[in-house]
Amino acid sequence: DIQMTQSPSSLSASVGDRVTITCRASQGISNYLAWYQQKPGKVPKLLIYAASTLQSGVPSRFSGSGSGTDFTLTISSLQPEDVATYYCQKYNSAPLFGGGTKVEIK
Amino acid sequence: EVQLVESGGGLVQPGRSLRLSCAASGFTFDDYAMHWVRQAPGKGLEWVSGISWNSGSIGYADSVKGRFTISRDNAKNSLYLQMNSLRAEDTALYYCAKEYGDYGMGAFDIWGQGTMVTVSS
Repeated sequence: DIQMTQSPSSLSASVGDRVTITCRASQGISNYLAWYQQKPGKVPKLLIYAASTLQSGVPSRFSGSGSGTDFTLTISSLQPEDVATYYCQKYNSAPLFGGGTKVEIK
Repeated sequence: EVQLVESGGGLVQPGRSLRLSCAASGFTFDDYAMHWVRQAPGKGLEWVSGISWNSGSIGYADSVKGRFTISRDNAKNSLYLQMNSLRAEDTALYYCAKEYGDYGMGAFDIWGQGTMVTVSS
């Protein structure tokens, strides 16, 4: 079975910092990779699909890259409203989420 | 407005059954695959089950296979999850989610608010 491993599990950064979260699939998944943001007490929100395509309405400071087994979510300039847990997900065949990365403001 | 509204959650004893429903509106329901995703208190997201637009493709997580059954009624714009032989570890907030495309082709672009299932004696 494919495993999805996110790192780090949590991070603390300052407003304006560049933040990078990685997601690794144990087998190649082409670009069937999405990123979600879940703010405390809220419903998950789709940020990026097809590894690098920004969902409509998502701020351009979010970007995604990668293909095959290694993927990255980047926040170019961290804002206070970006405090959330971020999940990667492979969505081909049996969908599977990564364990999540909790992002906090330092 | 595109909307998914779940219902049917509650407190249930171990070994009993529960049926969740998800009412869809604001989009052409039978054009898209649909899924159930759950989140245990304080934990991450876990995909539970998915179904294609015509019910021709169905999948389950290993943790629920043989106990849960997903179905849909396109005439009623509704998705269902029949949960049997419930266990304490099934306790979670259950989300209904729309796939952006057919089964296995798209991310989950619309989510409901969730319905809480608590399995306890």
